[in-house]
Amino acid sequence: DTEVTQTPKHLVMGMTNKKSLKCEQHMGHRAMYWYKQKAKKPPELMFVYSYEKLSINESVPSRFSPECPNSSLLNLHLHALQPEDSALYLCASSPTPAKDSWNSPLHFGNGTRLTVT
Amino acid sequence: KNQVEQSPQSLIILEGKNCTLQCNYTVSPFSNLRWYKQDTGRGPVSLTIMTFSENTKSNGRYTATLDADTKQSSLHITASQLSDSASYICVVSKGDNDMRFGAGTRLTVKP
Repeated sequence: DTEVTQTPKHLVMGMTNKKSLKCEQHMGHRAMYWYKQKAKKPPELMFVYSYEKLSINESVPSRFSPECPNSSLLNLHLHALQPEDSALYLCASSPTPAKDSWNSPLHFGNGTRLTVT
Repeated sequence: KNQVEQSPQSLIILEGKNCTLQCNYTVSPFSNLRWYKQDTGRGPVSLTIMTFSENTKSNGRYTATLDADTKQSSLHITASQLSDSASYICVVSKGDNDMRFGAGTRLTVKP
């Protein structure tokens, strides 16, 4: 089983709901990532946290709000989503700070399958 | 145009057979290339990493090759098993946290 844990596994929400996705790792990794993956497509980078500071925001709409409360936890707060936001949301971590992560593998969680109705 | 192109898009083989997946890239500068395996409904898992100076690397029944001159990599799977059915994603790093993902090859192994 993956060492990156994501909850919930599945989430169905309406366009007016507010929900949060959670990600946890206890490997001591200092870089954490959010990716969005549509069916039969590769993961697309959304956000990168390095030492609990947001280092990359890939022009993601403000209805997605990331939060990194500590080095082990990463949240993604969702509000006023659209049906096209339905996707698999993957969390990943890597051992070293993001800017030096080129030589470290990404450790992915199994994702949260999000459906927006 | 995607800077990482994978072929074929999908592949069906019989259990026990070998197969080779291809990854061509135009990413520059080049830092390393990784192959990930993604089972349906799960996150990708790293199989191998290839750096500029490496030509071949094995991980069990998986063997990856890299030709940095032609910017091509391949993933060879030997004696396929039903559990090899998955998407295989090629990821090329530029060395500054800029990782480019290929669209993946969907492999189905049939009994």
